[in-house]
Amino acid sequence: EVQLLESGGGLVQPGGSLRLSCAASGFTFSGHDMSWVRQAPGKGLEWVSTISGRADSTWYADSVKGRFTVSRDNAKTTVYMQMNSLRAEDTAVYYCAKDRNPLTTWGQGTLVIVSS
Amino acid sequence: QSALTQPASVSGSPGQSIAISCTGTSSDVGAYDYVSWYQHHPGKAPKLIIYYVTDRPSGVSNRFSGSKSGNTASLTISGLQAEDEADYHCCSYTLSNTPLFGTGTKVTVL
Repeated sequence: EVQLLESGGGLVQPGGSLRLSCAASGFTFSGHDMSWVRQAPGKGLEWVSTISGRADSTWYADSVKGRFTVSRDNAKTTVYMQMNSLRAEDTAVYYCAKDRNPLTTWGQGTLVIVSS
Repeated sequence: QSALTQPASVSGSPGQSIAISCTGTSSDVGAYDYVSWYQHHPGKAPKLIIYYVTDRPSGVSNRFSGSKSGNTASLTISGLQAEDEADYHCCSYTLSNTPLFGTGTKVTVL
């Protein structure tokens, strides 16, 4: 069974940093792209970033480009999202998802709150 | 890019059929047959229910069906059940090779 478990969310001040992790199991991790999607309070889903299976390609939404960095450790079957220069508008539940098109399996999410 | 447009809410009685529209442009919905739909019960993980416009993953009820015409995709839920009450999100790939989600629709079973 495919399982994705996000962690690392919390309360951070504007301008601060946070690193999210997503531990994966139940599939051949290195053979699949991994994506991050977020949902701000009362809003729809927003795609954030995707990393290819071998980590040789990455894609970012314009809203996070230059501030967020996605990476993965295939030996640990974990994908990461380093979030810097956080803003109030980054407040959201962050989900990791398996694959890119479509997003086949999702985790339950981790909440990030950016507030002073 | 602006989010794809979905109705904020749709409701129906048990047993009825409802349809949710997802309107984009020729750069996303109209460009590819890469529309997917996700069911999201609050507090839980979103679930893929339709991909490539019309395909259903294994285990998803055949009460869910998808279609597309031009720049608008649709999700139809037939034989509406109480457990279908959830948020539904469409998603399309775009010419920039990135996914674009819809605004989301809350389905209420009366």
